[in-house]
Amino acid sequence: AQSVSQHNHHVILSEAASLELGCNYSYGGTVNLFWYVQYPGQHLQLLLKYFSGDPLVKGIKGFEAEFIKSKFSFNLRKPSVQWSDTAEYFCAASHSGNTGKLIFGQGTTLQVKP
Amino acid sequence: KAGVTQTPRYLIKTRGQQVTLSCSPISGHRSVSWYQQTPGQGLQFLFEYFSETQRNKGNFPGRFSGRQFSNSRSEMNVSTLELGDSALYLCASSQQGEGAFFGQGTRLTVV
Repeated sequence: AQSVSQHNHHVILSEAASLELGCNYSYGGTVNLFWYVQYPGQHLQLLLKYFSGDPLVKGIKGFEAEFIKSKFSFNLRKPSVQWSDTAEYFCAASHSGNTGKLIFGQGTTLQVKP
Repeated sequence: KAGVTQTPRYLIKTRGQQVTLSCSPISGHRSVSWYQQTPGQGLQFLFEYFSETQRNKGNFPGRFSGRQFSNSRSEMNVSTLELGDSALYLCASSQQGEGAFFGQGTRLTVV
């Protein structure tokens, strides 16, 4: 069965600390991978996406993610977090060629202390 | 470009009633998907419509249905509401080569 799992449910960091959120997927065939962010009271926003090519993907707000096919992973990273990064982060996957059906991970709540 | 628009933003319904939610996708997007978000189950895929046809369906009972119109606007209907249907319902639109873009959602409360 298709699934996405996120390792950390709740992460607390101080400002300027580095961030890495884990994501693993289980999918048959070629996948597209995504990270979304949901700030308090706001809608889901696309941070970055991987379809093919360079496995290191850069997104908005200084985030990046690395696709490691051999590990079925797509971890999200940011070198230095800010208080404004406090939000919930979701990893998602879809079959290649169809982003209309996304399977989401459970989400990771990130709290950044000023 | 305008984003994905969902109406209404908030709804309160009584058990046993039915409800219809509406979604207007980003102009030019032909795929519209619906998701249910709850604290316990997270984000779960309901169904996807593409060019007025249901292309994918999640594991929800038949009380959950949808449709898409020729202008790509979509509606989702839930019949015989149960308390457990209380959730944030999200609509997303997408097109080939891009990710899915989400609306603000409709917060449904069943009492």
